[in-house]
Amino acid sequence: GAGVSQSPSNKVTEKGKDVELRCDPISGHTALYWYRQSLGQGLEFLIYFQGNSAPDKSGLPSDRFSAERTGGSVSTLTIQRTQQEDSAVYLCASSLPEGNTIYFGEGSWLTVV
Amino acid sequence: GNSVTQMEGPVTLSEEAFLTINCTYTATGYPSLFWYVQYPGEGLQLLLKATKADDKGSNKGFEATYRKETTSFHLEKGSVQVSDSAVYFCALSKTGGGADGLTFGKGTHLIIQP
Repeated sequence: GAGVSQSPSNKVTEKGKDVELRCDPISGHTALYWYRQSLGQGLEFLIYFQGNSAPDKSGLPSDRFSAERTGGSVSTLTIQRTQQEDSAVYLCASSLPEGNTIYFGEGSWLTVV
Repeated sequence: GNSVTQMEGPVTLSEEAFLTINCTYTATGYPSLFWYVQYPGEGLQLLLKATKADDKGSNKGFEATYRKETTSFHLEKGSVQVSDSAVYFCALSKTGGGADGLTFGKGTHLIIQP
């Protein structure tokens, strides 16, 4: 596609439920990133994929968070047993493997009630 | 580890004022430096970048110079417009090529009043 596409754009879920957030990167971009943007906390790196593998999972905040990428394209970020502190905007981004310009989607706004 | 510190906001200016948003960084090696902008209701967009010391990035009237001696990458614009109201993020790459992600500052909310 023309840009990084994320869905849903907004999600309200009850505490304890699982949620899945989807990211469709720019065509041809093999590098894919997930960030979390919380009010007053700036941008927090979560995970990075090169192709289908994730060499750096250091940013995932707990074992309730997981991410996968299939076919070197679409990625899914899953949050299990959501907590109120998980409420944030989850941003996906992609880039060429050798490039240093990262392009962001518009984010998925998650609210846990 | 790597970190980015930028001035706290909100920063409120009148139209046509001179803008400076300070950004300093801590990093090993030779990172690339970036400014991203987030307009209301939109995603992050790359505003400008610099990949080595003394490089100047520029776009849309904004400029920033990579100063290794002061580990800074301050954003400047000579005459701001209402349409520049947004949140600005300073960032650096984890490695020189930036292929494995960025470290961001907390963002500076800029408000331009007519």
